[in-house]
Amino acid sequence: GAVVSQHPSRVICKSGTSVKIECRSLDFQATTMFWYRQFPKQSLMLMATSNEGSKATYEQGVEKDKFLINHASLTLSTLTVTSAHPEDSSFYICSARGGERGISYEQYFGPGTRLTVT
Amino acid sequence: GDSVTQMEGPVTLSEEAFLTINCTYTATGYPSLFWYVQYPGEGLQLLLKATKADDKGSNKGFEATYRKETTSFHLEKGSVQVSDSAVYFCALSGGTSYGKLTFGQGTILTVHP
Repeated sequence: GAVVSQHPSRVICKSGTSVKIECRSLDFQATTMFWYRQFPKQSLMLMATSNEGSKATYEQGVEKDKFLINHASLTLSTLTVTSAHPEDSSFYICSARGGERGISYEQYFGPGTRLTVT
Repeated sequence: GDSVTQMEGPVTLSEEAFLTINCTYTATGYPSLFWYVQYPGEGLQLLLKATKADDKGSNKGFEATYRKETTSFHLEKGSVQVSDSAVYFCALSGGTSYGKLTFGQGTILTVHP
């Protein structure tokens, strides 16, 4: 099946610094990628949707200047948490979907990245 | 907007027991419904899906039937194994959030030998 990787799997950073998380589709072209946040014992919350070559669409309440998303190629999307604070500590998960835009193909999920801000 | 509600966990069962995890949804239109599973240390994997009313999704002994009249998509398995221990998420796509997935809160399942 389709494989999505994330890097790093875990990252610890100091408050005020920025952290970049990569999401790659390894064996298919991802026209759309999604970024989720998962709090302990809670569900996945969609943060934003990105289409290759376009600006990301952020969900209500998500700060676009804080969570910078870039989807520069059909196999790579990045999430940069800028000026991170302890409340940004969370589990970040990406998913990727191939096929034509606007058509609901299956999403394939990465293993997630655990971010801890000290 | 769309929403999904799952039974609260955690659920603890003995091997070969019957499993039911309840899931109900709220959505306009005709959403597609999904069950995802997350094994420890891994990403979410699609377990099964149903795209219209009365459809039954099945995979690896798990089943769920899309019940529009009760807006439910309960997950069942007749005989669970230790290897089924994981977190299970009910989700929908469509309704007012076409192409996006709306997840339930997840149910932790632990199966003991």
